[in-house]
Amino acid sequence: DQQVKQNSPSLSVQEGRISILNCDYTNSMFDYFLWYKKYPAEGPTFLISISSIKDKNEDGRFTVFLNKSAKHLSLHIVPSQPGDSAVYFCAASGGGNAGNMLTFGGGTRLMVKP
Amino acid sequence: ETGVTQTPRHLVMGMTNKKSLKCEQHLGHNAMYWYKQSAKKPLELMFVYNFKEQTENNSVPSRFSPECPNSSHLFLPLHTLQPEDSALYLCASSLSRTATNEKLFFGSGTQLSVL
Repeated sequence: DQQVKQNSPSLSVQEGRISILNCDYTNSMFDYFLWYKKYPAEGPTFLISISSIKDKNEDGRFTVFLNKSAKHLSLHIVPSQPGDSAVYFCAASGGGNAGNMLTFGGGTRLMVKP
Repeated sequence: ETGVTQTPRHLVMGMTNKKSLKCEQHLGHNAMYWYKQSAKKPLELMFVYNFKEQTENNSVPSRFSPECPNSSHLFLPLHTLQPEDSALYLCASSLSRTATNEKLFFGSGTQLSVL
């Protein structure tokens, strides 16, 4: 059973608009959440993270929101740019797995149209 | 070179062939990981090595037995492969195995196709 789920396999957004990528988790013990971005033929690269003691973390165009009661987090990209087109993975750590053993979601492919 | 380097980038193998995937990290990290990504599946952790000692084996078939000669190098020998082993194999490293708020740094992966 997947503990981290990204229910939208793909998302298409117009350049300049907001992209919202969603992630749900089931393990209430998770205490740290990360977003990774992956371009074709490259490994995932870290994008932004949030600790469970916060509900928002912002870094430039990227903001991650955490709703612990709903076990839901989202990544907002605004404004979206064509270079943001990639697969985005949500990941969580903690949850009884000691240390930074990450549990990944299945990914959402974002396509930003010019 | 910087970061995490994986070779080869692509590999096509028969089920009886033998080859080894190589991973090298130039970040001075102490922990290294093998992840597997099969088609339409999430990234799955396979193994964790901390200071070259295996600390996690995530129920991986016994035909996979990594080699970790030091904290900078990690190998995944391949043999007696099965079709379901076709996947993207990603190596990653982190400074520490134990800190929950540490980032993983990934290599570009090896795309393995088993004929």
